[in-house]
Amino acid sequence: QSALTQPPSASGSLGQSVTISCTGTSNDIGAYNFVSWYKQHPGKAPKVIIYEVTKRPSGVPDRFSGSKSVNTASLTVSGLQAEDEADYYCTSYTDGNNLVFGGGTKLTVL
Amino acid sequence: QVRLQESGPGLVKPSETLSLTCDLSGHSIRSGYYWGWIRQSPGKGLEWIGYIRDTGATYFNPSLKSRITISMDTSKNQISLRLHSVTAADTAIYYCARLVDGLVFFDYWGQGALVTVSS
Repeated sequence: QSALTQPPSASGSLGQSVTISCTGTSNDIGAYNFVSWYKQHPGKAPKVIIYEVTKRPSGVPDRFSGSKSVNTASLTVSGLQAEDEADYYCTSYTDGNNLVFGGGTKLTVL
Repeated sequence: QVRLQESGPGLVKPSETLSLTCDLSGHSIRSGYYWGWIRQSPGKGLEWIGYIRDTGATYFNPSLKSRITISMDTSKNQISLRLHSVTAADTAIYYCARLVDGLVFFDYWGQGALVTVSS
């Protein structure tokens, strides 16, 4: 199985919005609504910020939102804050009870 | 509070077997969740290794399937990972995490254990 495709980097200014894409296939993102997003600071374990495409766990600010269209999922971070600077990874359930991660996107807050 | 803690040798020789355990506290390993392993090579992205159900059924990344064993010890409330025939490419931080059944996301993670493959 191939990794989901994410842009290696993204950036935005404080207060602005940025969207990170995650492209898969009809066997993963296109077939299931089990897309999740993780935020990872350097040296730390990842933390889930979006699950089931659009849902936010308790405690995650509503500045984070998720969506999906066909084979591409997206994470939008609105009202960028300095602490949003991190690596972001998407993941999807895929055929055969498998999971697949994206390659990760480094978000820089300018 | 759910806590996961990975442990094991930090250095493994090429061609040998990498063995890690994940101790779980604050939750029973048999209470309806799945338990997964994920790794991250230095400076690289996350890679799903596999997961085990509370029933003991296992699911593996197809690219690693031939070299992986994942098991659980309910008496110790821990899961284990064994990766056979390692090479330098298996050098990574290995995380264990709880996978939410039916929603398919990892909600609790261990801090990770760095394993280096080198002679």
